[in-house]
This record gives sequence, structure tokens and C-alpha cells, in this order.
Amino acid sequence: EAQVTQNPRYLITVTGKKLTVTCSQNMNHEYMSWYRQDPGLGLRQIYYSMNVEVTDKGDVPEGYKVSRKEKRNFPLILESPSPNQTSLYFCASRSQGANEKLFFGSGTQLSVL
Amino acid sequence: GENVEQHPSTLSVQEGDSAVIKCTYSDSASNYFPWYKQELGKRPQLIIDIRSNVGEKKDQRIAVTLNKTAKHFSLHITETQPEDSAVYFCAASWWTALIFGKGTTLSVSS
Repeated sequence: EAQVTQNPRYLITVTGKKLTVTCSQNMNHEYMSWYRQDPGLGLRQIYYSMNVEVTDKGDVPEGYKVSRKEKRNFPLILESPSPNQTSLYFCASRSQGANEKLFFGSGTQLSVL
Repeated sequence: GENVEQHPSTLSVQEGDSAVIKCTYSDSASNYFPWYKQELGKRPQLIIDIRSNVGEKKDQRIAVTLNKTAKHFSLHITETQPEDSAVYFCAASWWTALIFGKGTTLSVSS
């Protein structure tokens, strides 16, 4: 089944404790991205990747890192989480060309205390 | 960069009525406009999309219209049902990104 797998589903942590949210897709998509969703603000892009070893900042990249060492994986790293990073995070991958569609992972609800 | 405005932020209708959600975009180079539905606690799901070379597209009770000149596009849901209750997001392509509107919470009461 074609899917974007994101883990964990829920995460509670404390300020300053490094964490990683994993994302994997099995559709051989070149494009992957991370979004955060906050009430009243919609979906805002954090980082995106056009291909292996190619990443770029989205609208709200501060406090986040990503890596794209292989096509299927695109982890989101918070080196020193802060309470303002409490949010719902979605990983997504996208097919290219005339039939481009964005597929979302199931989401990670992060709480930073 | 691209900016997508979505209205209204909340919409309440009676079952069987029609619902219309409108979005405007700023960059005339945008050429792909999807709509996503997000039910509570779930991921956004693509429900319909349209490209800039098409003015209207329908899929059963859902339709999307695009006015390139005015740079706005709309989602139309006819014969609404309680299961249509969700948050709906519009989006516009911009270079390599999809820029999302802030969402519309649709409530359909029976």
C-alpha cells in the first residue's frame, strides 16, 4: 500500500531535549516536506527536499533541521525543543509531473513542556 | 512569495444545503490548486484539484471553479451531509511548494 509513515504519533518532551520525528515513504517520490499545523494558522511548511541531499527552508524553519540521505526517509530534528514548537506535525511526499499530488503522513502531536 | 487567503473561517449549514468556500491567491504563476479535507484527529486528504488550464472540475457532489483573471478559486459542495463536517484547506502551487490557506471549519447539522 502506498503510504507515508510517520513516527511517533504522540510525543511529550521537555525543553532542550533533542528529538527526531521519522518519516518514510514507499512511493519513490523525490519531493518530501514537513509542515506544522497550529489552530488558526493552517499548514505551514518547515522544510522541504527536492531529492537526496537537497533540502531547503520553508516558511518556518527556525529551530528545526532535516536530512535527506536516502530517497525514502526525511527525518525532522529538533535539536533543542522549546514550548513554542508544541504543534501537530505532518510529513508529506509528492508525486511530480502532470499528476502531482501531496500525500500526508498520519501526523505527530508534539508537546514540549 | 505566494499568499493564499481563505474565507470563511467557519461555515455552518443545514443538511442538504450547499456550501461554498473561497480562496484567493497572489502569484499569477501558480498553476495547481488542490483542496484538502481534514477530519478531526486525521491527516489532510486530497478531495479534488484543478489546474490552471481548466475552469471547472466536478466529482459527484464536489466541484471546484477557477478564475485565473481574478486569481480566485472556490470549492462547492452540494447536498451537504453530516459526514462533510471537517476542516477544508485550499492550496496553491508556488515554485516547488504548496501554500495553504488557513482553513475553513464546515459544520453540517442534521
